[in-house]
Amino acid sequence: GAVVSQHPSRVICKSGTSVKIECRSLDFQATTMFWYRQFPKKSLMLMATSNEGSKATYEQGVEKDKFLINHASLTLSTLTVTSAHPEDSSFYICSASRIPGQGQETQYFGPGTRLLVL
Amino acid sequence: AQSVTQPDIHITVSEGASLELRCNYSYGATPYLFWYVQSPGQGLQLLLKYFSGDTLVQGIKGFEAEFKRSQSSFNLRKPSVHWSDAAEYFCAVGERRDDKIIFGKGTRLHILP
Repeated sequence: GAVVSQHPSRVICKSGTSVKIECRSLDFQATTMFWYRQFPKKSLMLMATSNEGSKATYEQGVEKDKFLINHASLTLSTLTVTSAHPEDSSFYICSASRIPGQGQETQYFGPGTRLLVL
Repeated sequence: AQSVTQPDIHITVSEGASLELRCNYSYGATPYLFWYVQSPGQGLQLLLKYFSGDTLVQGIKGFEAEFKRSQSSFNLRKPSVHWSDAAEYFCAVGERRDDKIIFGKGTRLHILP
């Protein structure tokens, strides 16, 4: 089956530093990747849609300069949390879409990255 | 805008009992509908999905869901739960015109021995 990995699985950083989270599709090419944020005991909130070779599309209320997304290849998307603050602490999950235009049907989720900002 | 409501934050059932998790959606047309399960420390796993056709959808692990347009519902059912079913369950909706998936707030399922 299709596998999506995320690295790191957990990260602790100091306030003011930047953190990069990688999302990789291991055995398929993903033209579209999605980034979600999950607050404790809350739902997944879609942050942005990342398309290979183009700028990411951010959902309303998500700061583009705060959460930098790069989709440099068909198997890798990165989310960089810039100048992280404690309120950015959360569980970040990515998903990858295998077939263009059929994202919902073939979206595979990564295991998530737990970010703790001290 | 489309939305998903899961009215039950927590559900507790005894092992071997039947289960129904509720999900209501708000969308103008017929959406794509999904149920995902998230176990502690694990990623989201797709249980089943509805795109069109038969309104009773069979999924993995013995789960099924029924799409009822008149009630804007897509409830998840299982005739007999197992202790390993304890997890967080998310109902989700997707629009046909793009690849986005919008999640409900989830229902935590607890299983009594």
